[in-house]
Amino acid sequence: QKEVEQNSGPLSVPEGAIASLNCTYSDRGSQSFFWYRQYSGKSPELIMSIYSNGDKEDGRFTAQLNKASQYVSLLIRDSQPSDSATYLCAVRTPGSARQLTFGSGTQLTVLP
Amino acid sequence: EADIYQTPRYLVIGTGKKITLECSQTMGHDKMYWYQQDPGMELHLIHYSYGVNSTEKGDLSSESTVSRIRTEHFPLTLESARPSHTSQYLCASRDITQETQYFGPGTRLLVL
Repeated sequence: QKEVEQNSGPLSVPEGAIASLNCTYSDRGSQSFFWYRQYSGKSPELIMSIYSNGDKEDGRFTAQLNKASQYVSLLIRDSQPSDSATYLCAVRTPGSARQLTFGSGTQLTVLP
Repeated sequence: EADIYQTPRYLVIGTGKKITLECSQTMGHDKMYWYQQDPGMELHLIHYSYGVNSTEKGDLSSESTVSRIRTEHFPLTLESARPSHTSQYLCASRDITQETQYFGPGTRLLVL
């Protein structure tokens, strides 16, 4: 079992819709969770971080964390074609020398 | 905004050549990382450093080596490049007091 798993994708949504991206993790000791966006051929850029259970909103983005169920999700409201990218879920587990473990990413396409 | 730089951005080189990929950051971050990412694939940690004179290998076995003589500089060296080294190499850094890891723009390497 992978330590961080994401919906395999690719995911296509129409412009203006809500895009929902999911991520599960295996280590219950994980404490910090991140969503990165990566455009094709570019490096990842951080869009959201979340550390406690519940929702965290930032503009059109909402991160949701449920530690009991070991999942973290990212909702993108009013999706735009410019949101088309690969979204990477990353998890930090204390004591892990690797610091951040990344999922394989979910490719999102927003159709005009 | 992160100030982390990588050079060269693109490199095409022949088999057997020695190459050094440069990474520098001006934020005084103690922790630095090298990731390898093939197109459409996940990030793999190949090296990391917790500070000057501290380097460790990551999850993915790599024939590259790194050094950390100065805080701001974390170069990666391939003694003898092979076509199997063709990939994108991403450098990242993090402040010890913060959770966020920032990525450089990446180096795309093609070994012929």
